[in-house]
Amino acid sequence: NAGVTQTPKFQVLKTGQSMTLQCAQDMNHNSMYWYRQDPGMGLRLIYYSASEGTTDKGEVPNGYNVSRLNKREFSLRLESAAPSQTSVYFCASSDRGGGYTFGSGTRLTVV
Amino acid sequence: GEDVEQSLFLSVREGDSSVINCTYTDSSSTYLYWYKQEPGAGLQLLTYIFSNMDMKQDQRLTVLLNKKDKHLSLRIADTQTGDSAIYFCAESGDYKLSFGAGTTVTVRA
Repeated sequence: NAGVTQTPKFQVLKTGQSMTLQCAQDMNHNSMYWYRQDPGMGLRLIYYSASEGTTDKGEVPNGYNVSRLNKREFSLRLESAAPSQTSVYFCASSDRGGGYTFGSGTRLTVV
Repeated sequence: GEDVEQSLFLSVREGDSSVINCTYTDSSSTYLYWYKQEPGAGLQLLTYIFSNMDMKQDQRLTVLLNKKDKHLSLRIADTQTGDSAIYFCAESGDYKLSFGAGTTVTVRA
């Protein structure tokens, strides 16, 4: 049981480059989420998908787009990376009323 | 997030009890969670409490919920060096979790 798998684990981008962070879960969860973690700020929700076919903005969506490709996969795209997007990104999944399972994170540096 | 607040640091002697406090604002939260994050790792669910409960005990962990004051606490008995980590309080609204900034717990010998 892999749980929630994120790729890549580490990435360095130049300002203006684009990239997609991948996330897949094997627990048949309906809901999936992307958070970013910055020192002293906890985790902030970027986007979420309550169920397959739907996506919604979270607290800090600017500069990001998402795709819920199918029930298993939820990707996060940075179209034009900025240094302010240097962060640790976590994907998570859940079923309503249950615990949330997190991936191990992607450490992104934008230079 | 601003809806969940917790103190940033706690230092505790090995063998003592640790108490981490959290306040939240959303009175409609169904579940409240405690997550643990070790350096360089993701978040691990430690325990959670349903909003109609006032206490939950799980081995060395005790969660207390004061719904009237919107106050949640996590007590770790007999704190060990392996308990050094960041602890996050989180509340669940519709479909999503809101996190506090995290409390860094340092266990000293």
